[in-house]
Amino acid sequence: NAGVTQTPKFQVLKTGQSMTLQCAQDMNHNSMYWYRQDPGMGLRLIYYSASEGTTDKGEVPNGYNVSRLNKREFSLRLESAAPSQTSVYFCATPGQNTEAFFGQGTRLTVV
Amino acid sequence: GNSVTQMEGPVTLSEEAFLTINCTYTATGYPSLFWYVQYPGEGLQLLLKATKADDKGSNKGFEATYRKETTSFHLEKGSVQVSDSAVYFCALSDYTGRRALTFGSGTRLQVQP
Repeated sequence: NAGVTQTPKFQVLKTGQSMTLQCAQDMNHNSMYWYRQDPGMGLRLIYYSASEGTTDKGEVPNGYNVSRLNKREFSLRLESAAPSQTSVYFCATPGQNTEAFFGQGTRLTVV
Repeated sequence: GNSVTQMEGPVTLSEEAFLTINCTYTATGYPSLFWYVQYPGEGLQLLLKATKADDKGSNKGFEATYRKETTSFHLEKGSVQVSDSAVYFCALSDYTGRRALTFGSGTRLQVQP
C-alpha cells in the first residue's frame, strides 16, 4: 500500500519551460491537495480538489494549473516556469479526521 | 482567516534534554490541531493530534495539549534523542470548506550526542 506517490522526486527546469508534477493516491479519498514548501514559510496551499472533476484555488495559485484526472490522480502543471517557483512540492490527501497523508515531495529548481 | 505561529528555530539540544516547541493559533470555530514531523529528504508524517479542547495528543514520547483558553498547542518531550532531529510543523484544520491544513513555518530541531 503506497499511500501517496509523487513523480518526479527531483527536477531542474530552465525559465520558461513547462512541466507536470504527478500525484496518485491509493487510499480511495475524495480530496487531494497540492502544497509548496519554502524555507521559513511552512507549507502553503496551491490548489485543492474536493472530488473527481472539481478543483479550486488555494493561497498561492498564480502560475499553476491542475487537473483531477480521476479519483486517484491529481496533477500540477507549470506552464512557464519562473525562478520564484523553485520550491519543494507536496501532494496530500486528508484522512477521516482531516489529518493529511503526504507524498515524498518533488524538489524543483528553476534556473 | 486561520493562522499558526511557531517559535523560531533552529533549536539545538543535547541528548536527553527536555524539549518544548511553542505553537499558538488563530482560528474561527473549533479547529483540530496537529503536529507533523519531517525527517531529512522525506515528506511530512503525522506525529500527534488533538480534536477538542483539553485533549492531549501523544506519540513516541511527544505530547501536546489543546489549550483553548490560550489558543496554544505546545509540543513537549521529556528526553530527546539524536533520532528526533527533524523539522516540526504545527497545523490546524477547521473542518470547513476545503478542509485543508494551515501550517506554521516549522521549527528545526537538532539533537547533539
